[in-house]
Amino acid sequence: SQQGEEDPQALSIQEGENATMNCSYKTSINNLQWYRQNSGRGLVHLILIRSNEREKHSGRLRVTLDTSKKSSSLLITASRAADTASYFCATENNFGNEKLTFGTGTRLTIIP
Amino acid sequence: SAVISQKPSRDICQRGTSLTIQCQVDSQVTMMFWYRQQPGQSLTLIATANQGSEATYESGFVIDKFPISRPNLTFSTLTVSNLSPEDSSIYLCSVGTGATGNQPQHFGDGTRLSIL
Repeated sequence: SQQGEEDPQALSIQEGENATMNCSYKTSINNLQWYRQNSGRGLVHLILIRSNEREKHSGRLRVTLDTSKKSSSLLITASRAADTASYFCATENNFGNEKLTFGTGTRLTIIP
Repeated sequence: SAVISQKPSRDICQRGTSLTIQCQVDSQVTMMFWYRQQPGQSLTLIATANQGSEATYESGFVIDKFPISRPNLTFSTLTVSNLSPEDSSIYLCSVGTGATGNQPQHFGDGTRLSIL
């Protein structure tokens, strides 16, 4: 399987703390995208980082990408109860077909 | 970004029957994809829905089980045929821009399918 790995599988933290999730993948990529999924519903796109970028910010989100290690991390700062969800990384290959390969996901629980 | 409507949002079906899921986009898109998410798992790509031609299936997925239509640039259907309990999953469609500009892919809300 070409599926990427995410760790941890599950993470519980107190509201206000920071949450870090890691993603590793196996092949060369065009970009890496992070998604949030609430309670088995559709996926919400959070952030896209290109293969030639190392870090990207969006509000309370910070994503890093290390293509030499084939890994990425998602940091959520000052967590809120509404951040409780599953988070997935997805890599787009560089064949130009926009296919995404998803990681295994991290289940994040924010404790009020 | 494109607005994607997926129907039905959920269904409960009998074994041996089929379910057709619709995906409607509010603008013309080049790329449409269908994914499956089994309970507690991540997403797996089923196929790329090609407008005007047969869908391109990923390894492990076949047309007889998952026939796909793409009659135009705003609409696609996925049928899950001869349903068995193993087909209980969330099925999601997504759209891409078809451009080489590193654009995000957007998803519908998914169809939660349960098999009795």
